[in-house]
Amino acid sequence: DGGITQSPKYLFRKEGQNVTLSCEQNLNHDAMYWYRQDPGQGLRLIYYSQIVNDFQKGDIAEGYSVSREKKESFPLTVTSAQKNPTAFYLCASSISGVGYGYTFGSGTRLTVV
Amino acid sequence: AQSVAQPEDQVKVAEGNPLTVKCTYSVSGNPYLFWYVQYPNRGLQFLLKYITGDNLVKGSYGFEAEFNKSQTSFHLKKPSALVSDSALYFCAAPGGGNKLTFGTGTQLKVEL
Repeated sequence: DGGITQSPKYLFRKEGQNVTLSCEQNLNHDAMYWYRQDPGQGLRLIYYSQIVNDFQKGDIAEGYSVSREKKESFPLTVTSAQKNPTAFYLCASSISGVGYGYTFGSGTRLTVV
Repeated sequence: AQSVAQPEDQVKVAEGNPLTVKCTYSVSGNPYLFWYVQYPNRGLQFLLKYITGDNLVKGSYGFEAEFNKSQTSFHLKKPSALVSDSALYFCAAPGGGNKLTFGTGTQLKVEL
């Protein structure tokens, strides 16, 4: 079955450490996205990529980094520069173009301890 | 580019009663509109979308949405709510740059 997989589901990080969240899709989608969701809040866009080897900052990119070396993969690194990283992180993918919706992964809950 | 607004943070309804979750949009051109649902600690799931055609769009789990051009609304509806419908609901529309823009979300609580 085609889909989008985020791993791990739960992640604990010590303050000052970088951590990488995985996102893999086998839907052959060109575009991929990372969102952050805080408790009871909506979605805030961190980074997005419309094509391999290219990505753009979203609304809250500070303290985060991404890469898009393969079409299937769009890992997100939460760096020590992110002051409040505890949140639920969602990855999504889509066919490029207006009118296509997103397919979401099941999310990674990151907790700083 | 389009934007969407969800005016209610929370909606409560009794099981068996009809439910409505509101969404309004601002648009330049023809609107594309979506509804997603999120259960606790899960990703968003697609419910339905409006591209063109019939104003009443039917989707998953018995949900439907009515596109109203004069009121610039795309409200999500279900004739008879279930406790299991309790979740966070998001409407969305293309917001420029081939990206979706999401509403702030509405928490639906269906009570026995």
